[in-house]
Amino acid sequence: DAMVIQNPRYQVTQFGKPVTLSCSQTLNHNVMYWYQQKSSQAPKLLFHYYDKDFNNEADTPDNFQSRRPNTSFCFLDIRSPGLGDAAMYLCATSREAGLYEQYFGPGTRLTVT
Amino acid sequence: AQKITQTQPGMFVQEKEAVTLDCTYDTSDQSYGLFWYKQPSSGEMIFLIYQGSYDEQNATEGRYSLNFQKARKSANLVISASQLGDSAMYFCAMRERTQGGSEKLVFGKGTKLTVNP
Repeated sequence: DAMVIQNPRYQVTQFGKPVTLSCSQTLNHNVMYWYQQKSSQAPKLLFHYYDKDFNNEADTPDNFQSRRPNTSFCFLDIRSPGLGDAAMYLCATSREAGLYEQYFGPGTRLTVT
Repeated sequence: AQKITQTQPGMFVQEKEAVTLDCTYDTSDQSYGLFWYKQPSSGEMIFLIYQGSYDEQNATEGRYSLNFQKARKSANLVISASQLGDSAMYFCAMRERTQGGSEKLVFGKGTKLTVNP
């Protein structure tokens, strides 16, 4: 059974057109993360939620926003996608922060045309 | 800031052989954790194994083992009896404290493993 679900798996959007990526989890984990992974690079953390507390990475562009309406769901909003935002976006969860493994979803591959 | 180094962009191994993927790290923390993840071409990151800095024994999970050498700051992943399905990208990662007081994973650049039949 899928534990971290991401929809859609593939998303195509136009330059400047807002897009929302979705993540849900059935693990009841407290922490949810969003990573950006560009081609042939390591995943890079954009931000994460510890319960309802939002934690933004210092170098995450303002163009990226996130919402977590409840424990199970977390959304990544890209307000005005640029060509440089084309990447794989990975959602992950962990039971708590710290020495716990993170469980990743299958990712959403975003293409910007 | 912590740093993870994976010096092998690509590795090849014959099916049923063992292979070692290198990972070195740099940290000034006394307490830290090291993780290995596998990423097949489908994109999903799969947790493989974890080693805590205070663990006295090397971690093992089935065919995966971690050769942890604390003084050398290395945490190499050993895959025994390689299978064709092991072909994937492998990332070494370390947890790092965030500005908000929580924690995140910092990943190395990865090693692409190809298992030949």
